[in-house]
Amino acid sequence: AQKITQTQPGMFVQEKEAVTLDCTYDTSDPSYGLFWYKQPSSGEMIFLIYQGSYDQQNATEGRYSLNFQKARKSANLVISASQLGDSAMYFCAMREGPAGGTSYGKLTFGQGTILTVHP
Amino acid sequence: GAVVSQHPSWVICKSGTSVKIECRSLDFQATTMFWYRQFPKQSLMLMATSNEGSKATYEQGVEKDKFLINHASLTLSTLTVTSAHPEDSSFYICSAGGGPNTEAFFGQGTRLTVV
Repeated sequence: AQKITQTQPGMFVQEKEAVTLDCTYDTSDPSYGLFWYKQPSSGEMIFLIYQGSYDQQNATEGRYSLNFQKARKSANLVISASQLGDSAMYFCAMREGPAGGTSYGKLTFGQGTILTVHP
Repeated sequence: GAVVSQHPSWVICKSGTSVKIECRSLDFQATTMFWYRQFPKQSLMLMATSNEGSKATYEQGVEKDKFLINHASLTLSTLTVTSAHPEDSSFYICSAGGGPNTEAFFGQGTRLTVV
């Protein structure tokens, strides 16, 4: 069963507009972390934002915010004021289990969403 | 932030030869590193967990004899693609680190093309 689901293969947005990239997850572990990464055509993985399962507040990092709805198991990424440089592939990922576990650090990724920002 | 360096960033090799990819943690010790594989416009799929001083743990469906992983020190893990074939052409990327509330750190990735 897919643990991380991104249902939008591609998204288009006008420059300076906001865009929401969807992510739903599935886990029975009470301790988990949710991440968003940006991958430009160069292939590097750029960390954007993190949300812990016990965090009460939605995470924000500059133009990025995470709309965390725990009961619905969703962790959507909101990018405000889109820029041309935001065009890239975006991945939602999950890390399960508490710190110190043998597989801590292992991420499960969603299928990704290709975002294109139009001028 | 912590840095993970991966080398080479791209490599072209002939079918039947072996290719070694290195993943180094530059400013921290990593007892565990992870190797992922990514086909164009697809997700990152975990191949194996590299454990310092012990055998790697491979994900289901990943051939251990084809993708040899060695984690001989706390700062270096290597992935060797043995007897490479064109279908092994892909983007390989490693990660390490990441504690509570922090992200995993990724290498730059290696684009392997087998001709």
